[in-house]
Amino acid sequence: DIQMTQSPPSLSASVGDRVAIRCRASQNVMKFLNWYQLKAGKAPKLLIYAASKLQSGVPSRFSGSGSETEFTLTINNLQPEDFATYYCQQSFSALWTFGQGTRVEIK
Amino acid sequence: QVQLQESGPRLVKPTDTLSLTCSVSGDSITNYYWSWIRQPPGKGLEWIGDVYHNGLTNHNPSLESRLTMSIDTSKSQFSLTLNSLTAADTAIYYCAKVRGSGRGGALDYWGRGALITVSS
Repeated sequence: DIQMTQSPPSLSASVGDRVAIRCRASQNVMKFLNWYQLKAGKAPKLLIYAASKLQSGVPSRFSGSGSETEFTLTINNLQPEDFATYYCQQSFSALWTFGQGTRVEIK
Repeated sequence: QVQLQESGPRLVKPTDTLSLTCSVSGDSITNYYWSWIRQPPGKGLEWIGDVYHNGLTNHNPSLESRLTMSIDTSKSQFSLTLNSLTAADTAIYYCAKVRGSGRGGALDYWGRGALITVSS
């Protein structure tokens, strides 16, 4: 299985901040890497697919970068609705796997 | 806008079988792969598997021996059956639509999830 490791596990930030969440794959996944936002009681949301492509309807303050084994989700100008947990997921192998999540909390 | 809704019993007993259904609206179920994902309390997400309109499925090998997935295109529904349940199967179960398929796919629409508790 391809292991996905996210860092940090959690972070505290203020509205207006820029935050970066990292995701490392245990082997090369090329650019087959997606990012999701989860909030309790709500349907999870796809933010970024193929490492850097913004899903339709997602604000442009979200961006993704990276390839092979190192990826980053960046949120510019953090908004109140962005406080949530974020997960990366690889779709390179037949067995899709997720990172353990990064919780973004209000400072 | 695609919408998905999970339905099924929320409390099941150990050794019993879990049956969940996902109802799809807003797009044709025949055009895509459809997936199940779960999240145990306090833990991360686990991909369970996916199903295509022709019945083709892909499973997580860790669940394959206990798992059956199916699709009913006439009802715009797809289903999951997981047998020999234990407390470790307690989780929020999500259904989702797959953008693309296989390598390069992504889960672009999700249901809100159903918390399934396995307890006697």
